Amino acid sequence: RKEVEQDPGPFNVPEGATVAFNCTYSNSASQSFFWYRQDCRKEPKLLMSVYSSGNEDGRFTAQLNRASQYISLLIRDSKLSDSATYLCVVNSQTGFQKLVFGTGTRLLVSP
Amino acid sequence: DTEVTQTPKHLVMGMTNKKSLKCEQHMGHRAMYWYKQKAKKPPELMFVYSYEKLSINESVPSRFSPECPNSSLLNLHLHALQPEDSALYLCASSPLWGTENTEAFFGQGTRLTVV
Repeated sequence: RKEVEQDPGPFNVPEGATVAFNCTYSNSASQSFFWYRQDCRKEPKLLMSVYSSGNEDGRFTAQLNRASQYISLLIRDSKLSDSATYLCVVNSQTGFQKLVFGTGTRLLVSP
Repeated sequence: DTEVTQTPKHLVMGMTNKKSLKCEQHMGHRAMYWYKQKAKKPPELMFVYSYEKLSINESVPSRFSPECPNSSLLNLHLHALQPEDSALYLCASSPLWGTENTEAFFGQGTRLTVV
């Protein structure tokens, strides 16, 4: 089983739609969680950290469920510019920084 | 300044060549990383440095040799690579585990082609 798993997609949605991505992780000792965005042939860029209480940044909402070892990202009112690959990242090793990436979920927003 | 700078941006090398990739950050981060990314795949962790010491080596072949000369610099020395080593090599830095915010910032990467 992979340490961090995501549905690879692609998710094809129209502009203005709401879309949700899920991610599961296998190491229950994992301490910190992130969503990154990666555009084609570019480096990953931090979208948001994921906190236990859930957090929101504009149109983006992230949730963490430690009991189920599950992370989610909700994007509301999708824009064309949201088209990218969304990577779930988990710091999977206590005491060290071992950032492990999920396979990524590709999002395509169409007019 | 949340910038991680990698040089060169592109590199073509022969299988007998020796080359080095360089990475620099001035955010005061004490954890630095090398990742390898193949097309349509997520980044795969290669090495982690904490306080300039190697803390994680993900069973990377010895033809890849990392070096952390100081807290701002990270190098990856390449020797006798194979064509399948062609990939995007990403450097990242972050605060250490246990601090409040541990987000990692990535450089733009070096696109390596081995011929």
